[in-house]
Amino acid sequence: QVQLTESGPGLVHPSETLSLTCTVSGFSLTGYSVYWVRQPSGKGLEWMGRMRYNGDTSYNSALKSRLSISRDTSKNQVFLKMNSLQTDDTGTYYCTGLTTEAMGWGQGVMVTVSS
Amino acid sequence: DVVLTQSPATLSVTPGERISLSCRASESVDTYLHWYQQKPNESPRLLIKYASQSISGIPSRFSGSGSGTDFTLSINGVELEDLSIYYCQQGNSLPYTFGAGTKLELK
Repeated sequence: QVQLTESGPGLVHPSETLSLTCTVSGFSLTGYSVYWVRQPSGKGLEWMGRMRYNGDTSYNSALKSRLSISRDTSKNQVFLKMNSLQTDDTGTYYCTGLTTEAMGWGQGVMVTVSS
Repeated sequence: DVVLTQSPATLSVTPGERISLSCRASESVDTYLHWYQQKPNESPRLLIKYASQSISGIPSRFSGSGSGTDFTLSINGVELEDLSIYYCQQGNSLPYTFGAGTKLELK
């Protein structure tokens, strides 16, 4: 069964680093790309970055200096790390296969940045 | 970066009517334009990919058209369950980008 599941802390303090994990099942990370998308509360979707099937990464221009995406293919996991968090980074973070129909979207993880 | 402009921002609809939502790109994205639906408190789901390709499990009343910079998502016979926010996304050039969304509400 194809599934994407995000996990990570629900609360992060300002200026700290956010670490999220996307655990995938039912397909191989070496065959499909995985994307991170976030949604500030009550706002629209923002494309954050991509872990391509071949290991290449791409990032949102506005987040590039703070964002890093990596993976562990043996564990079927994709990681997101973003530093220097501020309150406007509060929102729901999704991993998704975007146009790979079978992959769909994870349920999302809510992250609150607050002291 | 490619900017996607969706219009209208909000559309008031009556069940049964045919509607069209617009997505315009700041530069050509060929047919690398995809549509997603997001219902309240749910994850988005893919509705149409590559401008006009249908997705398994999506009702046939949803269709897409366009290429280059102008794209349209049509719903032929809106149903109450379609009251959601619709986003377009381009996958032609990195970084990929989303439009701001169109919200469908009941008239």
